[in-house]
Parts: sequence; C-alpha cells; structure tokens
Amino acid sequence: DAGVIQSPRHEVTEMGQEVTLRCKPISGHNSLFWYRQTMMRGLELLIYFNNNVPIDDSGMPEDRFSAKMPNASFSTLKIQPSEPRDSAVYFCASSGPQRAGGFNGYTFGSGTRLTVV
Amino acid sequence: GENVEQHPSTLSVQEGDSAVIKCTYSDSASNYFPWYKQELGKRPQLIIDIRSNVGEKKDQRIAVTLNKTAKHFSLHITETQPEDSAVYFCAASISGGSYIPTFGRGTSLIVHP
Repeated sequence: DAGVIQSPRHEVTEMGQEVTLRCKPISGHNSLFWYRQTMMRGLELLIYFNNNVPIDDSGMPEDRFSAKMPNASFSTLKIQPSEPRDSAVYFCASSGPQRAGGFNGYTFGSGTRLTVV
Repeated sequence: GENVEQHPSTLSVQEGDSAVIKCTYSDSASNYFPWYKQELGKRPQLIIDIRSNVGEKKDQRIAVTLNKTAKHFSLHITETQPEDSAVYFCAASISGGSYIPTFGRGTSLIVHP
C-alpha cells in the first residue's frame, strides 16, 4: 500500500493565483480529512468527507478555500485567490470504517508545503 | 465539541532523561487516545494509542497512561535519545461512527546529546 498520496510536495505561487492541492486516500478508506499546519495555529482541521460527501467544513477559513471529492480515490483543496497568509503545510489524512475495538488505519499523507509570495 | 489541551508546548531534556507530555480532554464520551510523532519536515505518524478500557499501555521506551475520571492522559518516554526529538501530538476521539480525532497543539521535544 502506497499510503496517502499528496501532490505536489512543494508549491510556490504568487499572491492572487489559484492553487490546487491533491490527495489520493488509501484504497478502501471512506473518510478523508484536510488539515492546515502552521507554527501559530498548530494542526487545524479544515474539512472532512465521509463516503465522498463533505460532512463538516466549519474549519475552512474563508470562501477562498474550497474542497471536493469527486470519487473515493481523489480529493482536491483549492485556494482562489491565494494570499501570503495561506502559506502553510497542508496535510490530507484518510481512515477506514470503524471497527469495534480495532484501529481504523487513520494515516496522514506527506503534506504539501505551500508558499505564497 | 471536544477540546484537547496539551502541555508543555516545548520540552527540552538531556539524553537519557525521561520526558512526560500531558493532555486533557473535555468530552467524557471520548474513548480512543492516539499519540503522533512528527519529525521535522515529515508527516505525523501514530506511535502508540490507548483505549478507555485500559489505564496504561507500554511499548518499549514509550508508555501512555489514561485517567478517565480526571479526563487526562500522558505520554512517557524513558531513556530519551536524540532521535526522539520531534513534535508530539495527542488526540482524543470517539470510536464507532465517524472517527474524527481532535488534536492537541503539539509538544516540541528536544533531546540534547
């Protein structure tokens, strides 16, 4: 299993440009989470999906942020227009169905380091 | 919703010493408590977890304890080594249904050789 795959690993963009981050969850996992990590705020949950449906997007900071999960194997997080304060590491994580007394395989991807200049 | 507090934010120890990181949670329904280690520039990875039906769990040099009454849990690292230097996150969640961990702010552990 290749784990949770995120792309790109690094992204440098100019303020005002659109940025799209991508995530492929572990096959068979039915929940997907997007996080933002900064020194100031730590690890923040932005949005999560269950069975491709967005369940809670209360962590999305502004309307400039949007996320989609068109199928069970792919999700995107888009920022349009991007601003310097969006610079952070963005992690995707996925997990499988809950099993009584069992670990559901909650796993982070390697992250995308976004720099907006 | 759940709220997880983690202390200290930074912990500096000498190699060979013990390190303890403490977390408290607010939702008494939480019953699963994982700990993640994030090395510099890498992703958080699960290192140990504990469920509410046990009070302590140990894996070599690391151990976790849980006090459900007080709603706090701790990570203990003995005989620390420089490779233990990392950011450690605690989390609390409810197993069953959608698993949505609530993370603490993290503790930066620095082990000096």
